[in-house]
Amino acid sequence: DGGITQSPKYLFRKEGQNVTLSCEQNLNHDAMYWYRQDPGQGLRLIYYSQIVNDFQKGDIAEGYSVSREKKESFPLTVTSAQKNPTAFYLCASSTTERGVRTEAFFGQGTRLTVV
Amino acid sequence: GESVGLHLPTLSVQEGDNSIINCAYSNSASDYFIWYKQESGKGPQFIIDIRSNMDKRQGQRVTVLLNKTVKHLSLQIAATQPGDSAVYFCAENISGRRGGSYIPTFGRGTSLIVHP
Repeated sequence: DGGITQSPKYLFRKEGQNVTLSCEQNLNHDAMYWYRQDPGQGLRLIYYSQIVNDFQKGDIAEGYSVSREKKESFPLTVTSAQKNPTAFYLCASSTTERGVRTEAFFGQGTRLTVV
Repeated sequence: GESVGLHLPTLSVQEGDNSIINCAYSNSASDYFIWYKQESGKGPQFIIDIRSNMDKRQGQRVTVLLNKTVKHLSLQIAATQPGDSAVYFCAENISGRRGGSYIPTFGRGTSLIVHP
């Protein structure tokens, strides 16, 4: 089955710690994205990558870092510089072709809580 | 800045009624829009898309209308069922820095509650 997998589903972080959220896809998509969702809010773009070894900041990149060493993987690190990291994090991927249906395929999300 | 927004945060309907969810966008360069459905604790899923060269597109029980003059989208769900209860997002797809692919930009969402 093709899809996008996020792990872990739940993650607890102590203040001052860095944590890394995993995102893997086997859809052969070039583009991958990380979004943050807070209660009652929409999805806000953290980082995106349209090709391996390249990524761009989204609207709320401060306190986060990413890497894109492999096409299948786009891990997100929430650093201690992120002052309010408690949120639901969603990873997505999509094709980069134009003229076709280019919806984002989402993982099931990681719920991060600061304790 | 330019953004995608939604008019109503919550919509309550009776089972069997038709539902209409509205969305405003402000980026006049956007040429591709998608509606997503997000069930509690899950990632959003594709419902239907529409390109700016179309005014209307129909799927199974869903219809999307696009009014480019007023930069407005709507999602119509016919004969709404309890399983339709979810948060619905419209996403404006904006070209990325490389220009090669769209970057989905989401609005706040509308919570649809269907009463049996």
